[in-house]
Amino acid sequence: NAGVTQTPKFQVLKTGQSMTLQCAQDMNHEYMSWYRQDPGMGLRLIHYSVGAGITDQGEVPNGYNVSRSTTEDFPLRLLSAAPSQTSVYFCASSYSWTGGFIGYTFGSGTRLTVV
Amino acid sequence: QQQVKQSPQSLIVQKGGISIINCAYENTAFDYFPWYQQFPGKGPALLIAIRPDVSEKKEGRFTISFNKSAKQFSLHIMDSQPGDSATYFCAASIGETSGSRLTFGEGTQLTVNP
Repeated sequence: NAGVTQTPKFQVLKTGQSMTLQCAQDMNHEYMSWYRQDPGMGLRLIHYSVGAGITDQGEVPNGYNVSRSTTEDFPLRLLSAAPSQTSVYFCASSYSWTGGFIGYTFGSGTRLTVV
Repeated sequence: QQQVKQSPQSLIVQKGGISIINCAYENTAFDYFPWYQQFPGKGPALLIAIRPDVSEKKEGRFTISFNKSAKQFSLHIMDSQPGDSATYFCAASIGETSGSRLTFGEGTQLTVNP
């Protein structure tokens, strides 16, 4: 199992450009989420999905779009990049069960710089 | 609005000492409180978690203490080792099985000196 795979690992964009951050998981997890990590602010939820075809907004959704056409993939689209979107982006997946605690499996992150 | 506040921002401990990181939350609907450990260049990884019906949970050298009335919880790392040097995040969510909406604290950068 590869777990959660994010691509690219690094990206530099110019203001106004658009791009898609890719996220794929091979664990058949129903839940997937995108977080951004900024110094001193922890991780903040951008968008999440509870299953294929179902997405919802998190705490900081503005400027980002998502879709979930398959269980495995959950791409994050930046519509028109802004310097405020410079951050490290993490994709995570998890599943639900009644037997005990679950934890997110995080990808290794995409470091995005917008100039 | 930060619903989970974490302190201290950074912590330096000598090898063998006890590391203590504190978190406070506002939303009384939170009922699942995990801690995550993150090494440089890696994603966070689940370390230990607790529900509010338990006041303490221990796994090896890691212990969570939970005070429901004060809306506070803390992570204690006993016999801290240089390999524990990492950033630690507390988090909270509504429903341990929801799996979809974790609210994180700001993080604590722990350095354990040899």
